[in-house]
Amino acid sequence: ETGVTQSPTHLIKTRGQQVTLRCSSQSGHNTVSWYQQALGQGPQFIFQYYREEENGRGNFPPRFSGLQFPNYSSELNVNALELDDSALYLCASSLATRTGGETQYFGPGTRLLVL
Amino acid sequence: GENVEQHPSTLSVQEGDSAVIKCTYSDSASNYFPWYKQELGKRPQLIIDIRSNVGEKKDQRIAVTLNKTAKHFSLHITETQPEDSAVYFCAAKRNTGFQKLVFGTGTRLLVSP
Repeated sequence: ETGVTQSPTHLIKTRGQQVTLRCSSQSGHNTVSWYQQALGQGPQFIFQYYREEENGRGNFPPRFSGLQFPNYSSELNVNALELDDSALYLCASSLATRTGGETQYFGPGTRLLVL
Repeated sequence: GENVEQHPSTLSVQEGDSAVIKCTYSDSASNYFPWYKQELGKRPQLIIDIRSNVGEKKDQRIAVTLNKTAKHFSLHITETQPEDSAVYFCAAKRNTGFQKLVFGTGTRLLVSP
C-alpha cells in the first residue's frame, strides 16, 4: 500500500448538490494531484496542490475547486453536480523538489455516483 | 496539446507467454514515463518507470523501453501469470513545472491459465 488514504470510499449524490472529497498524502510528501477516472478510461488530471497553493489545472470548470492544508492533506470540492461527474476520483501524493518531482502514488479513490 | 496513445486496448495471452503494450506521446518535453497496473476496483499501482536519459529498464519479469526520437515507449511482461491480469496504463510527464501525468487510455490484459 502507498500510505495515501481517501474518504469517503463511496458517495451517492443528486444533480445540483455539492460534494467534498478528502485525501491524506503519504508521510513526507508535499504535493497532491487530483484525477477523475470515468469508467473504462484513463485518469484525467484535475489540478495539483503544492505547499497549499494550486500549482496547475486541467480542463475542468471552476465548479471543481480544492484546498491543501498545512499537513499537506487535501480536499476536492465539486459544486452543482452533474450526471457526468460520476466517476472514480483519485488523489496522488508526491514529493516535489527543486529539480522536479516524479513518482506519484495513488490513493484508493472515492467512487462518486450522481443521480 | 499533450496526448498519449496506447495500444492495444485489449490483449489476451496464455500463461507463460510474453505481453507487449505500446504507447506514443506527443509532448516532446516529456521526460518521465511511468506504468501503472490497476486491478478491478483498486487504485493504480506503479509497477515501473523510466526517465528520458535511459533507454531501457528491467525489473524481474517487467521491462520498459523508451525511444525518445520516435516518442515511443513500451511495456514488456515476460512469463505472464494469471495474476498479471489487470488494466495497464502508461503515462508521460514533464519533469519541470507542475507534475501533471497524462495517461493513455489503458490496456486490458487477460492471462489465461
